[in-house]
Amino acid sequence: AQTVTQSQPEMSVQEAETVTLSCTYDTSENNYYLFWYKQPPSRQMILVIRQEAYKQQNATENRFSVNFQKAAKSFSLKISDSQLGDTAMYFCAFSFLVDMRFGAGTRLTVKP
Amino acid sequence: EAGVAQSPRYKIIEKRQSVAFWCNPISGHATLYWYQQILGQGPKLLIQFQNNGVVDDSQLPKDRFSAERLKGVDSTLKIQPAKLEDSAVYLCASEFGGGTVTEAFFGQGTRLTVV
Repeated sequence: AQTVTQSQPEMSVQEAETVTLSCTYDTSENNYYLFWYKQPPSRQMILVIRQEAYKQQNATENRFSVNFQKAAKSFSLKISDSQLGDTAMYFCAFSFLVDMRFGAGTRLTVKP
Repeated sequence: EAGVAQSPRYKIIEKRQSVAFWCNPISGHATLYWYQQILGQGPKLLIQFQNNGVVDDSQLPKDRFSAERLKGVDSTLKIQPAKLEDSAVYLCASEFGGGTVTEAFFGQGTRLTVV
């Protein structure tokens, strides 16, 4: 079974600075997807960024980018120029076919 | 495009009572998930449907939880009888269902408190 591990329960960053959230996963599959989802306080979960395992190039979405290390089974999220609105729980997720699993989450606080 | 709709948003019940949650996925989405999110934890998959068939219910406590997705559209999740440890947010998500999850869309969840 696939597992997803987020080893940082909480993190904080000053506004405008850069922060990196870590995620590792375990799978025997070769073609899969990895995701970072954001869950703001009392609001619904939304997709931040997605990486296809067969692509070597790291995904980028505006201020959000990932460092995907397939051999190491590592998938970190970098948030540049952090904004107050980035304060949320961030979940790393793995999917293979239609199976989708989540990590325990990292609570990120952006400080003014 | 309408999102995933869930109701109710909040529910408080006493232990041993029963409760039901409803989910309406995005139109055309074949895959539907129910997740349980206990405070401070990540979502845990309870059950997954592909159209009206169950793909995975290995983590569903079947002695008290049940779910159905009649006609492959709306879904209901029921707990009977509820226990204190069932207090959590129940998230419904849907996905197009092309054979690989490329993006799951989530509802706002139902926060259940069992007292």
